[in-house]
Amino acid sequence: GDSVTQMEGPVTLSEEAFLTINCTYTATGYPSLFWYVQYPGEGLQLLLKATKADDKGSNKGFEATYRKETTSFHLEKGSVQVSDSAVYFCALSPLSGGGADGLTFGKGTHLIIQP
Amino acid sequence: DAGVIQSPRHEVTEMGQEVTLRCKPISGHDYLFWYRQTMMRGLELLIYFNNNVPIDDSGMPEDRFSAKMPNASFSTLKIQPSEPRDSAVYFCASSLGPGPGYTFGSGTRLTVV
Repeated sequence: GDSVTQMEGPVTLSEEAFLTINCTYTATGYPSLFWYVQYPGEGLQLLLKATKADDKGSNKGFEATYRKETTSFHLEKGSVQVSDSAVYFCALSPLSGGGADGLTFGKGTHLIIQP
Repeated sequence: DAGVIQSPRHEVTEMGQEVTLRCKPISGHDYLFWYRQTMMRGLELLIYFNNNVPIDDSGMPEDRFSAKMPNASFSTLKIQPSEPRDSAVYFCASSLGPGPGYTFGSGTRLTVV
């Protein structure tokens, strides 16, 4: 079945550091890929998405590129802030249009940004 | 818009008791999902509805779990009888159409002692 693997952390960085959170996936066909963010005590929020190969999703300074050849969707940010501290989840949807049938999530990466 | 509303935020119950978790999706959304989050297993899809009809409940762990959606604005997830291994955070999410970007509620943290 479909699966998502991401570094679990915690990942601890200093403010203004460069961030990379790795995510790789296993799926048949052409899935859509997502990054969600969960702040303490809150539900998950969609951060960015990509629905086909070579698409780049971006939001709030974060970026991720859908790499079909390496089955990856790594999350990057050039300069992190303390407010970026949260848990980040990589996820896939089996339908290329980003359809329902539920999302398959990675286990989440806890990011801690120190001032 | 108030977003997806879940209640209660926290629930502590004794083993063997019945637990009911509630969810109010965003008005107009036609898909509703129930997820469970644990440290060991991460986020797992339990069941989802489309237009109040259960579409896929293959993620429901066992017969102790049941979910209903009597109308477009309300869903429940019931566990009877509850067990300590059911302790987790349960999230409800809704979306308009099957597209991506579900809106999640803040979750219900369930502790079964």
